[in-house]
Amino acid sequence: AQTVTQSQPEMSVQEAETVTLSCTYDTSESDYYLFWYKQPPSRQMILVIRQEAYKQQNATENRFSVNFQKAAKSFSLKISDSQLGDAAMYFCAYPTIGNEKLTFGTGTRLTIIP
Amino acid sequence: DAGITQSPRHKVTETGTPVTLRCHQTENHRYMYWYRQDPGHGLRLIHYSYGVKDTDKGEVSDGYSVSRSKTEDFLLTLESATSSQTSVYFCAISAGQGGTGELFFGEGSRLTVL
Repeated sequence: AQTVTQSQPEMSVQEAETVTLSCTYDTSESDYYLFWYKQPPSRQMILVIRQEAYKQQNATENRFSVNFQKAAKSFSLKISDSQLGDAAMYFCAYPTIGNEKLTFGTGTRLTIIP
Repeated sequence: DAGITQSPRHKVTETGTPVTLRCHQTENHRYMYWYRQDPGHGLRLIHYSYGVKDTDKGEVSDGYSVSRSKTEDFLLTLESATSSQTSVYFCAISAGQGGTGELFFGEGSRLTVL
C-alpha cells in the first residue's frame, strides 16, 4: 500500500516569502532517488528537484531546496522568495519495488498571495 | 522537452464503450507508465511496461489493459468504460535507474465517461 504522505492539501504564502512543503515516505530500497514535481494550471508535470538518497548533502536548484532526512524518511521542499509563477500543485514521489516505479503523494496546492 | 505524445487529448464517451489512449515516445526509453490523476488521490499507477511485450499492473489496474508491441508505443485500453474512469490520464517514460530515475510526462488526456 502506498505510504507516501503529503499532510498539507493546501498552503498559501505571501509573494517573496519562504514556504516549506512536507513529505514523508516509506521504501525498502537503500539507494534511490526522491523527486518533487510541480503541476501548474497547464497540467504539465515538471520536475522541480531530485535528491539522491545516498548523498548527505541536500539538493538545491535556484530558489528550491530540500531538507532530506533519510532516517526519518522525510523529504520536504523549501521555496524561497516565492513568485506568482510558483503557484501550482506540488507532488513528492519516491520509488517502490525495484526502483522503477514512482509512487506519488496526494499533492499540496500552493497559492501565492500578491 | 521529452518527446512524448498522448492521443487523444480530450475524449467524451458513454458508459460501456471501449476506449483506447495512445502514448508515443521518441526517446527510446525502456520504461513507460500510465497514471491517472484524480482530486485527493494524486497520481496513481495503472500499468507500466519495462520492455516490448513486458507489462505489469499498478495499484489501480482493474478495468484497464495495456499493450506494448513497439518500444515507442504504449496503449491503454478501457474495455468497457465506466463513470469511475472519468479522469485525467498521464503517460510517462523513464530510462530507469540506469539513467536518473526521472519520469518524463506527456501532457495528459482528459477522459469523460457519461
